Amino acid sequence: EPEVTQTPSHQVTQMGQEVILRCVPISNHLYFYWYRQILGQKVEFLVSFYNNEISEKSEIFDDQFSVERPDGSNFTLKIRSTKLEDSAMYFCASSDFRGTGVRETQYFGPGTRLLVL
Amino acid sequence: GDSVTQMEGPVTLSEEAFLTINCTYTATGYPSLFWYVQYPGEGLQLLLKATKADDKGSNKGFEATYRKETTSFHLEKGSVQVSDSAVYFCALKFWETSGSRLTFGEGTQLTVNP
Repeated sequence: EPEVTQTPSHQVTQMGQEVILRCVPISNHLYFYWYRQILGQKVEFLVSFYNNEISEKSEIFDDQFSVERPDGSNFTLKIRSTKLEDSAMYFCASSDFRGTGVRETQYFGPGTRLLVL
Repeated sequence: GDSVTQMEGPVTLSEEAFLTINCTYTATGYPSLFWYVQYPGEGLQLLLKATKADDKGSNKGFEATYRKETTSFHLEKGSVQVSDSAVYFCALKFWETSGSRLTFGEGTQLTVNP
């Protein structure tokens, strides 16, 4: 069964450094998402992406964050200058339909655990 | 704003016990409702969903019914197994207002002992 993959599984970085988290969505999917989960807190939506544009972003997704689909398969999340509070598990997801009905399911990757020191 | 509240966790049960994990939501409108499960070391997997009032979602022995009158979507299973040990997330989603984002509850850790 096709699945969303993410790399790396774990990343440790120093505060102020840039990090890029990578995701390979399911190949025929058109919509891509990033979520994050700070330890002990809820899974929170960051951004959705469709047709090479951001469709929606949350208040968390400020100028320090950016997303890109650099080629036909990868979807990346960049954090420009990491802060301690960016430490979290970051989940990528993809779906092939936006709306109600059986095709609205978002499929999630296993996550990247980011630790900012 | 829209929100999802799950029962306080963690939950520990013996094998073959009955499971209920409560989920209620606050939303302006009629969202679709989901249960996702996260097994250790894995990503979030869709367990079941319901897209309108009175719909019942079911999968792998789990069930949840969309109750508009009580704004609830409680997860139930008649007889849990050790392999059901995981974190369970309730979530909602609109397509006509909030776009494609999922709004999650806090997650409930379930441990099933042999």
